[in-house]
Amino acid sequence: EAQVTQNPRYLITVTGKKLTVTCSQNMNHEYMSWYRQDPGLGLRQIYYSMNVEVTDKGDVPEGYKVSRKEKRNFPLILESPSPNQTSLYFCASTFTGQGRTPLHFGNGTRLTVT
Amino acid sequence: DQQVKQNSPSLSVQEGRISILNCDYTNSMFDYFLWYKKYPAEGPTFLISISSIKDKNEDGRFTVFLNKSAKHLSLHIVPSQPGDSAVYFCAASDAGNNRKLIWGLGTSLAVNP
Repeated sequence: EAQVTQNPRYLITVTGKKLTVTCSQNMNHEYMSWYRQDPGLGLRQIYYSMNVEVTDKGDVPEGYKVSRKEKRNFPLILESPSPNQTSLYFCASTFTGQGRTPLHFGNGTRLTVT
Repeated sequence: DQQVKQNSPSLSVQEGRISILNCDYTNSMFDYFLWYKKYPAEGPTFLISISSIKDKNEDGRFTVFLNKSAKHLSLHIVPSQPGDSAVYFCAASDAGNNRKLIWGLGTSLAVNP
């Protein structure tokens, strides 16, 4: 089954404790992206990757890191999480670019930073 | 400044009737539009799209209309079903900015039996 898999689904952590949210897709998509969803702010892009070893900042990259060593995986790293990073996070992928080919989303990771 | 606006945060419709979700945009460089549907505890899923060279695209019960001069698009769901209850996001592809996707804030649709 074609899918984007994120783990974990729920995560509660404390300020400053490094964490990684994993994302994997099995559709051989070149493009992958991370979004966060907050009430009243909609979906905001954190980082995206056009292909292996190619990553770029989205609209709200501060406090996040990503890597794209393999085509299928695109982990999101929070080196020193803070409470303002409490949010619902989505990973997404598509064949190329993002504008015209529909994005496939994971089921989300709800992160709480205390 | 919101370039893609979904002015109705919520909408309630009776089962069997038509649901109309609206989306306005400000940037004339947007040339492709997509609608996504999101259920609670799931990621958004693609629903339907339309290119700016068209004014209508239909897929089963879902039709998207585009009025370029008014910079307005709408999603029609006919007939509405309880399973359509979800948050609907409008997104626009910016041809002038590397095809970046610009998202609306979403409209929560409730279809009442």
